[in-house]
Amino acid sequence: DAGVIQSPRHEVTEMGQEVTLRCKPISGHDYLFWYRQTMMRGLELLIYFNNNVPIDDSGMPEDRFSAKMPNASFSTLKIQPSEPRDSAVYFCASSLGGADYGYTFGSGTRLTVV
Amino acid sequence: SQQGEEDPQALSIQEGENATMNCSYKTSINNLQWYRQNSGRGLVHLILIRSNEREKHSGRLRVTLDTSKKSSSLLITASRAADTASYFCAKGSNDMRFGAGTRLTVKP
Repeated sequence: DAGVIQSPRHEVTEMGQEVTLRCKPISGHDYLFWYRQTMMRGLELLIYFNNNVPIDDSGMPEDRFSAKMPNASFSTLKIQPSEPRDSAVYFCASSLGGADYGYTFGSGTRLTVV
Repeated sequence: SQQGEEDPQALSIQEGENATMNCSYKTSINNLQWYRQNSGRGLVHLILIRSNEREKHSGRLRVTLDTSKKSSSLLITASRAADTASYFCAKGSNDMRFGAGTRLTVKP
């Protein structure tokens, strides 16, 4: 298995632009998570899905952030418009069974908003 | 909170020495999980220990769990430079959250 695949690996964009991050979870996993990591705030859970349905989006910082999971093999995290404070590493993770099993993380997308 | 709190924040040891990291949590658990993060990479799942287990081993890793004290520890024996990373614990839950981690440096 190729693991959790995220794209792009690096993204540099100008303030105000729309940014879309992509994630392909491990086939058969029924949970998908989006995290953000910064030096100041550490790892923050943004949103998670179960069977493609968003379950908890309380970690999404503001309305500029949105996430979708149109099918079991693909999810997107969109920021529109982007701001410099959104600069961070965004991780996607997936799990089979959620709480009772470990998560598999992708390599992350390093986002820089200038 | 589904977050674990790691201690110490940073640990520096020589290659070959053992490294012990601790984790505390506030509410009851079904399981507790440990992860490693190498610089610039995603987290890697190391060990999951269930609430009815007291100790678990995986290679050079040994995890203990004391539910009465709401604490866990991760022991890495005979450390190697490649063990240099940040280590995180988290309560197993569908909204798993992570603390600041312990940054381990193993000097060759």
